[in-house]
Amino acid sequence: AQSVTQPDARVTVSEGASLQLRCKYSYSGTPYLFWYVQYPRQGLQLLLKYYSGDPVVQGVNGFEAEFSKSNSSFHLRKASVHWSDSAVYFCVLSGNNYAQGLTFGLGTRVSVFP
Amino acid sequence: DMKVTQMPRYLIKRMGENVLLECGQDMSHETMYWYRQDPGLGLQLIYISYDVDSNSEGDIPKGYRVSRKKREHFSLILDSAKTNQTSVYFCASSLSRGKDTQYFGPGTRLLVL
Repeated sequence: AQSVTQPDARVTVSEGASLQLRCKYSYSGTPYLFWYVQYPRQGLQLLLKYYSGDPVVQGVNGFEAEFSKSNSSFHLRKASVHWSDSAVYFCVLSGNNYAQGLTFGLGTRVSVFP
Repeated sequence: DMKVTQMPRYLIKRMGENVLLECGQDMSHETMYWYRQDPGLGLQLIYISYDVDSNSEGDIPKGYRVSRKKREHFSLILDSAKTNQTSVYFCASSLSRGKDTQYFGPGTRLLVL
């Protein structure tokens, strides 16, 4: 079975501060990992994805994530957040069993205060 | 412009009524999905469609059925809706299976009274 854990349900940061969102996964094979963002009353949008190679991947809007096989983690980072980054962020795993679709974490709600 | 559309965006139904949720995509993607999103449960997969008339159950298919007669269109049907089917429903599509990026629609908020 595959699973994704996002240990922080809510994170509050000040505008201009750095942000790190944690993600741990459980999967026996080679995972394909994604971070999606959901703005209020909208669908999910892809921030970045990791398939293989360089463990640090760059995404849109200054986001990056680092894959660690030894730690089974895929943490998301941003150096300086803006109020518009307030949203819910989902860590997502795709395994080799395509019939399972994607496995989603429960999400981390980020609130950015001025 | 790559786009997934969902209709309607908001829907109120009474228990026992039939519900039809529509999804369309303009990317000629093979694979389409229906999810529901509930507080504390995240997104759960209801059905996957691999192409026209090629559908597979996801994690929570009970109480739902789907129809895909054209590649660009995927419907979710609730026969005799129940109050516990109140949720936000998302449709998504991807080029093919597995690791391809999924593109999500804006969601349909369904309230079953």
